[in-house]
Amino acid sequence: RKEVEQDPGPFNVPEGATVAFNCTYSNSASQSFFWYRQDCRKEPKLLMSVYSSGNEDGRFTAQLNRASQYISLLIRDSKLSDSATYLCVVNDSGGKLIFGQGTELSVKP
Amino acid sequence: GAVVSQHPSWVICKSGTSVKIECRSLDFQATTMFWYRQFPKQSLMLMATSNEGSKATYEQGVEKDKFLINHASLTLSTLTVTSAHPEDSSFYICSVPPDPVGGQYFGPGTRLTVL
Repeated sequence: RKEVEQDPGPFNVPEGATVAFNCTYSNSASQSFFWYRQDCRKEPKLLMSVYSSGNEDGRFTAQLNRASQYISLLIRDSKLSDSATYLCVVNDSGGKLIFGQGTELSVKP
Repeated sequence: GAVVSQHPSWVICKSGTSVKIECRSLDFQATTMFWYRQFPKQSLMLMATSNEGSKATYEQGVEKDKFLINHASLTLSTLTVTSAHPEDSSFYICSVPPDPVGGQYFGPGTRLTVL
């Protein structure tokens, strides 16, 4: 079993759609959780951290369920510029980042 | 502005040569830096943890004699791919953690192509 697993992609959605990504992790001792965005042939960039209480940043909402070891990202009113690969990332108890395989999102006009 | 820089951004070399990649932390001192590798259509895989003033820690399956890491100062780590082969062609990315449990800042990556 992979340490961090994400929904297989790609997700193809029209502009304005709401899209949800799911992720599970295997190490219950993991300390912190993130969503990164990676554009084609570029480095990953931090989109947002994920907290147990849930957190929102504009059109983006992240949720963490420690009991289920489950992380989600919701994107509302999707824009063309949201097209990218979204990486679920877990900081394990040793301070290392473990990446999911990524979910590709393509927003169409 | 950029927090982490990498040089070169891309390199093409012949099989058997060695390639050095530099990673610099621009905004703060980093006792630890990380080196990742990403093959096409795959996610980032941690190769090693670079430690200032001591030996790097390599992940399982990564050959330490092939991927030489030197953390020369609190702002510079280098990765040297020795005797490169076509299967080493990949996107190499470094990162700097501002704190042990937070996210990390990634360099822009170095795309290596070995002919």
